[in-house]
Amino acid sequence: ETGVTQSPTHLIKTRGQQVTLRCSSQSGHNTVSWYQQALGQGPQFIFQYYREEENGRGNFPPRFSGLQFPNYSSELNVNALELDDSALYLCASSLGTWGGRGAETQYFGPGTRLLVL
Amino acid sequence: AQSVTQLGSHVSVSEGALVLLRCNYSSSVPPYLFWYVQYPNQGLQLLLKYTSAATLVKGINGFEAEFKKSETSFHLTKPSAHMSDAAEYFCAVSSNQAGTALIFGKGTTLSVSS
Repeated sequence: ETGVTQSPTHLIKTRGQQVTLRCSSQSGHNTVSWYQQALGQGPQFIFQYYREEENGRGNFPPRFSGLQFPNYSSELNVNALELDDSALYLCASSLGTWGGRGAETQYFGPGTRLLVL
Repeated sequence: AQSVTQLGSHVSVSEGALVLLRCNYSSSVPPYLFWYVQYPNQGLQLLLKYTSAATLVKGINGFEAEFKKSETSFHLTKPSAHMSDAAEYFCAVSSNQAGTALIFGKGTTLSVSS
């Protein structure tokens, strides 16, 4: 069974650029959640996708957008990068239901570390 | 809205000593609670979760946590620390307002000395 994978592992961008991060979910999972973890902080929820539809969004501006594909892999796109976007971006997959109860275990990938200069 | 507070950003114990990491939650509905561990330069690994069954939850690597509704707490314990337990630990509550998002505390760094 393949776990959650993310690419790339590290990325350096400059302010104003755009970035795309990728996530492959664990086999059999239909839900992907994205989190931003700033240095020394706990992860913060960006958004979640269930069966290709957005199923919840945290307090992040619209320049953070995402996609989920039919194979349940996912992308996180960030436009107009700012210095504060420098963080570890974590993807988590789970087997969920629409309007889920929240008891499902989320399995995390190793993350993509983004540095914005 | 749900929230989590982890008391103590850094806890240091000796090898073989009791580990106690504190977590208090705030939730307007019965919560689902989780403890995750993060090793350097890695993602998060689930240690255990509470989903309204038994209040004492046993997890991996000898960790356990007890859900206490009256104290709104979900503290993580391990009877005897091992050097390999040194890591960052996060308590999280599942949000019922934004899909099934996890709301994390700020984390507690556990150091284990020989």
